[in-house]
Amino acid sequence: SQELEQSPQSLIVQEGKNLTINCTSSKTLYGLYWYKQKYGEGLIFLMMLQKGGEEKSHEKITAKLDEKKQQSSLHITASQPSHAGIYLCGARNNNDMRFGAGTRLTVKP
Amino acid sequence: ETGVTQSPTHLIKTRGQQVTLRCSSQSGHNTVSWYQQALGQGPQFIFQYYREEENGRGNFPPRFSGLQFPNYSSELNVNALELDDSALYLCASSLAGGETQYFGPGTRLLVL
Repeated sequence: SQELEQSPQSLIVQEGKNLTINCTSSKTLYGLYWYKQKYGEGLIFLMMLQKGGEEKSHEKITAKLDEKKQQSSLHITASQPSHAGIYLCGARNNNDMRFGAGTRLTVKP
Repeated sequence: ETGVTQSPTHLIKTRGQQVTLRCSSQSGHNTVSWYQQALGQGPQFIFQYYREEENGRGNFPPRFSGLQFPNYSSELNVNALELDDSALYLCASSLAGGETQYFGPGTRLLVL
């Protein structure tokens, strides 16, 4: 089955700094989802990447998909306290979705 | 447009008891998936329902069962609760099995 590994596990940054979160798959990626989760709450859909080389942006968050490396990265520019939370990558596996363990982001004001 | 809702928000049960969790899918969505998320881990797929039929199942024992109703709302039932069943239970709805899943706020279950 497909395994997703996220790095780093946790990240503490100063407000205004840029950061990158990585997600690496053990199998070919046919679609990669990024979600954000506040502690103990549901997942908020951020974006989906389907094609190799695809890049999407939403406000200050940009995600890229590198199919050859079976990897996706999520980049946040000029981080704000509102960006704090757990970022999860997910990949389709037939009818279900497999998730990484998440990256916990703390943004210090 | 109404988002995914779940009830109850929190629940405390004792080992051996049974529990039913409920989920209302987003308006227009006919597919519901259930996930279990233990502390510090990503969500683990339990099963999916499409048009009232189970449409895929993860590595969970038969004491985890579900239902989907004609209005596409869904229930997750867990029998003979074990301590390890303590987790956040998430449901997600989508237009179809392969589409983007939108998640509810979750039900936090504590088994004592």
